[in-house]
Amino acid sequence: GDSVTQMEGPVTLSEEAFLTINCTYTATGYPSLFWYVQYPGEGLQLLLKATKADDKGSNKGFEATYRKETTSFHLEKGSVQVSDSAVYFCALRKNTGNQFYFGTGTSLTVIP
Amino acid sequence: EAGVVQSPRYKIIEKKQPVAFWCNPISGHNTLYWYRQNLGQGPELLIRYENEEAVDDSQLPKDRFSAERLKGVDSTLKIQPAELGDSAVYLCASSLGLHNEQFFGPGTRLTVL
Repeated sequence: GDSVTQMEGPVTLSEEAFLTINCTYTATGYPSLFWYVQYPGEGLQLLLKATKADDKGSNKGFEATYRKETTSFHLEKGSVQVSDSAVYFCALRKNTGNQFYFGTGTSLTVIP
Repeated sequence: EAGVVQSPRYKIIEKKQPVAFWCNPISGHNTLYWYRQNLGQGPELLIRYENEEAVDDSQLPKDRFSAERLKGVDSTLKIQPAELGDSAVYLCASSLGLHNEQFFGPGTRLTVL
């Protein structure tokens, strides 16, 4: 069945370090791919998305490219800040029925 | 603009007791979702409403879970009776139509003792 696999955490980085959170997916057809972020005590917020192969989603310095050949959607940021500390969820949405499948989440802590 | 509102934020009950969660979606959003998020896991869809109609409830354990969305606005999710395994965060989300961005509420953290 359809699913999302993302790297396990927790991840701890120093401020200004480079971030990569890996995400791979299994799906039939051509799903849309998303990264959501959950800050402490808050609901999930959409961070970025890509709806077709080779699309790059970007927001707040984060980027992810939809790679159909490797079925991946890795999240990257060149220089993390303390305020980026949160849990990040990779997700896919089937384009028929709007069913979402979320990964297990990766906790990121950025230390000064 | 107010976001998705959920209450209560936290609930602790003993097993076999009933419990209810309330959600107020963003004004004008006709699609409403209830998710369950177990510890260390991503959210899993329980039920989706289009206006007042439940259009996808295939993952809702219907023996003990029920939901309603009267008048196509607020929604209530109920568990009766609760079991230990129901301990989780229950998230509500809403969107303006099926293929638009989902906005999530802060969730209700349920602990069943």
